[in-house]
Amino acid sequence: QLQVQESGPGLVKPSETLSLICSVSGLSISSTEYYWGWIRQPPGKGLEWIGGLYYAGSTQYNPALRSRVTISVDTSKNQASLKLSLVTAADTAVYYCARLFRDSDNGGYYFDYWGQGTLATVSA
Amino acid sequence: DTVMTQSPATLSVSPGERVTLSCRASQSVSSNLAWFQQKPGQAPRLLIFGASSRATGIPARFSGSGSGTEFTLTISSLQTEDFAVYFCQHYNHWPYSFGQGTKLEIK
Repeated sequence: QLQVQESGPGLVKPSETLSLICSVSGLSISSTEYYWGWIRQPPGKGLEWIGGLYYAGSTQYNPALRSRVTISVDTSKNQASLKLSLVTAADTAVYYCARLFRDSDNGGYYFDYWGQGTLATVSA
Repeated sequence: DTVMTQSPATLSVSPGERVTLSCRASQSVSSNLAWFQQKPGQAPRLLIFGASSRATGIPARFSGSGSGTEFTLTISSLQTEDFAVYFCQHYNHWPYSFGQGTKLEIK
C-alpha cells in the first residue's frame, strides 16, 4: 500500500533555507508512470502548486517561486526533497507531497495521492 | 499563467440538497481539470479528474462536467460528511494552478 510522508524541521528562521523530505513506501519513486509534486497551503488559505519532478530529472516549478525552489529525488532512499531558500513569514504553510498520475485520456498529470502534510513555520 | 476562479466562495446548504459549484479558467485547459475535497486538518482528497471521471472510491453523488474554461462539480444529495472546502485545479500545462476554494457550510 502506498504511503507518502513529509518530514522537516518545523521551524525555520527568516532568510534561511527550508528543507523538506517526502518519503515514499509501497511504490518505487523511480516508476515511469508518475511525477512527484509539492503543494503548500498557508494557514487558513488556499493551495499553491510549488513544482513537480519526474524521476529522470525533469522538473517544473511555479514561476513565482522558481528562483528559490529546488526539487530533487534520491532513488536510493526512495525520497523526494524540496528546498526553498531565503524564506520569509509568507512561506509559513503546510507543505504537501503528492503523486501525479497520468491522465491517459487527456494527457496531463493529476494529483491522485497526497501525504498528510508537514507544517513549516518561519519565525525568528 | 492560467488563473482558476471558483464561485461562490461560501455556500450555505442543508443536508439532502443538490448543490453545484463552479470553476472557471482564464484560458482553455481542455478537460485537464481535477476537483478536490478538503476537511479541516486533512490533506485534500481527489474527487474528480479529467473534468468528469470519479476517482476510486468516490460516491456516485459526486459528478463533474465541463471542458475548456467552464466547469462544475455537482453533489446530488448532500450528506453531512460532504461539508468541506472544495478546490478545482487544472493540469493542462505548466504551471498548474488551483482555484481559491468553495466552502460548503451547513445552513
